[in-house]
Amino acid sequence: NAGVTQTPKFQVLKTGQSMTLQCAQDMNHNSMYWYRQDPGMGLRLIYYSASEGTTDKGEVPNGYNVSRLNKREFSLRLESAAPSQTSVYFCASSFYGYTFGSGTRLTVV
Amino acid sequence: TQLLEQSPQFLSIQEGENLTVYCNSSSVFSSLQWYRQEPGEGPVLLVTVVTGGEVKKLKRLTFQFGDARKDSSLHITAAQPGDTGLYLCAGGKTNAGKSTFGDGTTLTVKP
Repeated sequence: NAGVTQTPKFQVLKTGQSMTLQCAQDMNHNSMYWYRQDPGMGLRLIYYSASEGTTDKGEVPNGYNVSRLNKREFSLRLESAAPSQTSVYFCASSFYGYTFGSGTRLTVV
Repeated sequence: TQLLEQSPQFLSIQEGENLTVYCNSSSVFSSLQWYRQEPGEGPVLLVTVVTGGEVKKLKRLTFQFGDARKDSSLHITAAQPGDTGLYLCAGGKTNAGKSTFGDGTTLTVKP
């Protein structure tokens, strides 16, 4: 019962480096999401995809891009990492409630 | 933007005590979910409520959706250390649409 799988679990980047966070779900959900979670600021939506082939901006999309590769996979890319992007990133899929992955802890130095 | 306010922000109690946390909004939601998040993990869905006035029970946890579908409460009876975590409410559409999350209540239950 994998649910939502995120990789990597931890990552340290230097300012200006790029990386892609991977996410896959095995529940056949149409909708997938990327959130970031920061102390005192709760969960903030970065991007979401209501169905395969569609993506939309959330509350804090600047500095990020996404790709809905197929129904299972939804990736998040940081093109030029900044210290302000230090956070915990969660991928989720939903059908009458969210199923979250275990998160990626990203530090940008 | 539909805002959800949770209170209290922090709660520290002794094992065996009862507690209630609240989730309030000025907006009407089609559904409301409660999640629990433990350190180092993602939030885990506890319950979804969809009908105004609905009450759901999950062992020692009781969830209520307000009659006007603008607020919700979570009551825990005889809290245990295993209940420690961040409790998040989220409101949105009934089907697979995006939800708005509250900032959470951090609960610590001391043995």
